Amino acid sequence: EAAVTQSPRNKVAVTGGKVTLSCNQTNNHNNMYWYRQDTGHGLRLIHYSYGAGSTEKGDIPDGYKASRPSQENFSLILELATPSQTSVYFCASGDWAYAEQFFGPGTRLTVL
Amino acid sequence: QQKVQQSPESLIVPEGGMASLNCTSSDRNVDYFWWYRQHSGKSPKMLMSIFSNGEKEEGRFTVHLNKASLHTSLHIRDSQPSDSALYLCAASMDSGYNKLTFGKGTVLLVSP
Repeated sequence: EAAVTQSPRNKVAVTGGKVTLSCNQTNNHNNMYWYRQDTGHGLRLIHYSYGAGSTEKGDIPDGYKASRPSQENFSLILELATPSQTSVYFCASGDWAYAEQFFGPGTRLTVL
Repeated sequence: QQKVQQSPESLIVPEGGMASLNCTSSDRNVDYFWWYRQHSGKSPKMLMSIFSNGEKEEGRFTVHLNKASLHTSLHIRDSQPSDSALYLCAASMDSGYNKLTFGKGTVLLVSP
């Protein structure tokens, strides 16, 4: 089965600090995605990538940056974390328009 | 405004009963619909997808799609307590990036 891992699984950060969330996939999928999940909002797309070196803005990119240094790795970066970014973050990978997306286990981020 | 609307927000069905979940997109550019299931504390996993008008059945699960009205429904017959979860509907366009837009989800509780 497709494998997507995330680290850390839990993170407590301070307001104004820098946070980096990491994602690794061993599926050799071209596309990778970062979502956040909040009660009452479902899953919302932050950034996505269609290959190494590419990053694209999703539906809610403000306050976030992304980096895709290789096919396997995709990072989400919060340069100046704010309490409104407290959420559960999911990374996913997939291929092409009609392909299933495989989700990682999630990272619970709390910004104090 | 949420582009993918799901109803009901929550649903309780007795064990062995039928659960019916609804989903409509307001974006006429969508081509594909997806149903993901997320158990409490876990990551979403794809349950079913449907791309053409009509019906698709996999075991106890049936999905319907009406592309003219951009409406899809998921029906679970002989519901089991293990079906209790958050059901997320997503829509996407026919592009290589497979960007998913999710609804807020329906919480299903199957009572023993």
